[in-house]
Amino acid sequence: AQSVTQLGSHVSVSEGALVLLRCNYSSSVPPYLFWYVQYPNQGLQLLLKYTSAATLVKGINGFEAEFKKSETSFHLTKPSAHMSDAAEYFCAVIVPGGYQKVTFGTGTKLQVIP
Amino acid sequence: NAGVTQTPKFQVLKTGQSMTLQCAQDMNHNSMYWYRQDPGMGLRLIYYSASEGTTDKGEVPNGYNVSRLNKREFSLRLESAAPSQTSVYFCASSESRSSTDTQYFGPGTRLTVL
Repeated sequence: AQSVTQLGSHVSVSEGALVLLRCNYSSSVPPYLFWYVQYPNQGLQLLLKYTSAATLVKGINGFEAEFKKSETSFHLTKPSAHMSDAAEYFCAVIVPGGYQKVTFGTGTKLQVIP
Repeated sequence: NAGVTQTPKFQVLKTGQSMTLQCAQDMNHNSMYWYRQDPGMGLRLIYYSASEGTTDKGEVPNGYNVSRLNKREFSLRLESAAPSQTSVYFCASSESRSSTDTQYFGPGTRLTVL
């Protein structure tokens, strides 16, 4: 069974600083990985996804993530935080080839300090 | 396109009452899902419908029933609500069951069971 662990339920960064949200996965086969963002009182929106093409994936709003098989990681980064990035971020994993059994992480709330 | 819509946005029930959460999508997607989101637990799949006419249990189906009314609509019913079902409920849809397809989420229904 696949699983995903997000380190840090809350992360605070200063406006303009690097954003780094950590995600580690466990899967018996090479997985597909996703990052979603949830703004207050809204549903989840896809930021980016890795589906076994390029290991460095670029998403919306300047975010990117790198799939590192040796570290079983898929950390989300953004070079310069903006106030509008304040939200909750979810990492998710799917085992390829099967139906869409998505396993979500527990989420990381990002606070951006002016 | 409205995407995925959910009604109602908020609901308060007493223990033992029943209600149906409605979900509709206008993207001509084949697959639809119901999740619940609880603090510190991420999203957990309740039921899904791979295609019109089919439904299957997810991770936490107990206490819920679903109906795939047609290709557009997928409802979630609580027959006898319990306080443990206090949660935020999200409906999602994807083009197919393929694990590479993106899931699109509705804005959620915030349910409180007293």
